[in-house]
Amino acid sequence: EVQLVESGGGLVQPGGSRRLSCAASGFTFSDYYMSWARQAPGKGPEWVANIKPDGSEQYYMDSVKGRFTISRDNAKNSVYLQMNSLRVDDTALYYCARAHMSSWDNWGQGTLVTVSS
Amino acid sequence: QSALTQPASVSGSPGQSITISCTGTSSDVGSYNLVSWYQQHPGKAPKLMIYEDNKRPSGVSNRFSGSKSGNTASLTISGLQAEDEADYYCYSHAGSYVFGPGTKVTVL
Repeated sequence: EVQLVESGGGLVQPGGSRRLSCAASGFTFSDYYMSWARQAPGKGPEWVANIKPDGSEQYYMDSVKGRFTISRDNAKNSVYLQMNSLRVDDTALYYCARAHMSSWDNWGQGTLVTVSS
Repeated sequence: QSALTQPASVSGSPGQSITISCTGTSSDVGSYNLVSWYQQHPGKAPKLMIYEDNKRPSGVSNRFSGSKSGNTASLTISGLQAEDEADYYCYSHAGSYVFGPGTKVTVL
C-alpha cells in the first residue's frame, strides 16, 4: 500500500523558514516524480513544486520561485520542501503527492503551515 | 483566480446522473489529454478519480467517467450515491498547471 506521511508544519512568523518532510513507502520511490501541493483554508488545491525521479530537475509555481526548494533523498524514500521568506498567503495545508501520468495518484494527509505574527 | 471554470455547485437525487464541467482554453484543457479530476471529502486529502481526460485509476468506481469536447472537460457521476457528496476539482497539466475552483456536489 502506498503511504505518504508529511511532517514539519507549524506556526512561523512572516519572513521565517520551515522545512517540510514527506516519508514514502509501499512503492519504488526512485521511479516517480514527486510533488508538493497546498490548499489554503476554504480554497482549492494548488500545485507548488515537482521534482524528477533522480532529483536532477525541479519545477515551481511562480509565486514560490526563489523562496521554496524541493529536494529528495532516494536512499531515505523522502522528499522535502524548504520554505524561506514565508508570507501570510503561504498559509495552507501542504500535501506531498506522487505524480502519475500528468496527475497525482496518491496524496498524504497533509501538514499545516500557518504564517502569522 | 483560476484559469479554469467550474460550476460552484451541482446537485442530484440518489440514482440520478450528474455532470460537472470544466472549461478552459485551447492552451490548457483543449490541448493534449491531460485533464484529471479529484474528489475531496471534508477534512480529507484529494483523491484521483479520472486522469488523462477519461481514464479511471484502479479501485475507482465505474460510475465515474470523464470526457472532453474542445476546451471543456466533463466528469459524469452515474447512479449518484450519498457517499459521492464532496467537492470535485478538475486539473489541467497543460498550460499553467492549474486546478479549477471546485464544484460542490450535493446528494438531495
